[in-house]
Amino acid sequence: QVQLQESGPTLVRPSGTLSLTCAVSGGSVSSTKWWSWVRQPPGKGLEWIGEIHHSGNTNYNPSLKSRVTMSVDKSENHFSLKLNSVTAADTAVYYCASQDYDYCWSVWGQGTTVTVSS
Amino acid sequence: QSALTQPASVSGSPGQSITISCTGTSSDVGGYNYVSWYQHHPGKAPKLIIYDVSNRPSGVSNRLSGSKSGNTASLTISGLQSEDEADYYCSSYTNINTYVFGTGTRVTVL
Repeated sequence: QVQLQESGPTLVRPSGTLSLTCAVSGGSVSSTKWWSWVRQPPGKGLEWIGEIHHSGNTNYNPSLKSRVTMSVDKSENHFSLKLNSVTAADTAVYYCASQDYDYCWSVWGQGTTVTVSS
Repeated sequence: QSALTQPASVSGSPGQSITISCTGTSSDVGGYNYVSWYQHHPGKAPKLIIYDVSNRPSGVSNRLSGSKSGNTASLTISGLQSEDEADYYCSSYTNINTYVFGTGTRVTVL
């Protein structure tokens, strides 16, 4: 069973870049899965950020597309998220997630809280 | 893409059945049988409870069931129990190769 663990800075300055990594254990990031990022701002609902395949193909939320970059590191068996030009609106719990079934997410990381503040 | 529309809250007494709706458009819910549902307890990771409109992952209670009609998907919880108290989100694949979540529904067991 694949397990996921997010890591990265918990505090990011406004206009800076949010960078998170999701470590994959119990499986390979080079599998046929798509690897996703989802976030939840305080008091709000879930928001899909985007997904990446080990081939490097990506799909991003149109509302975030101009600021998002995702990548896969096969040697480290992890995938990453970068979100630039952040504002307070990007403060959220960030989850990484993967698919056992197509078109949904059955495996989730525990989530990591990122605060954008000066 | 706009979030799918869910009622903000639904409540029921133990043993009752409740249904949560999830309304989208022909570009997402109505166009694909790729609607999934998640149970989310605060402070924990979301849990997949329904995929492909009506399929339950292994280990998920058969008290939970999903369906779809047109642009609206639904989640029904039968025999409501205190452990069902949580937030519930639907999600759908879209015609631009993205995903969209619902606005979320808080379920309260009275």
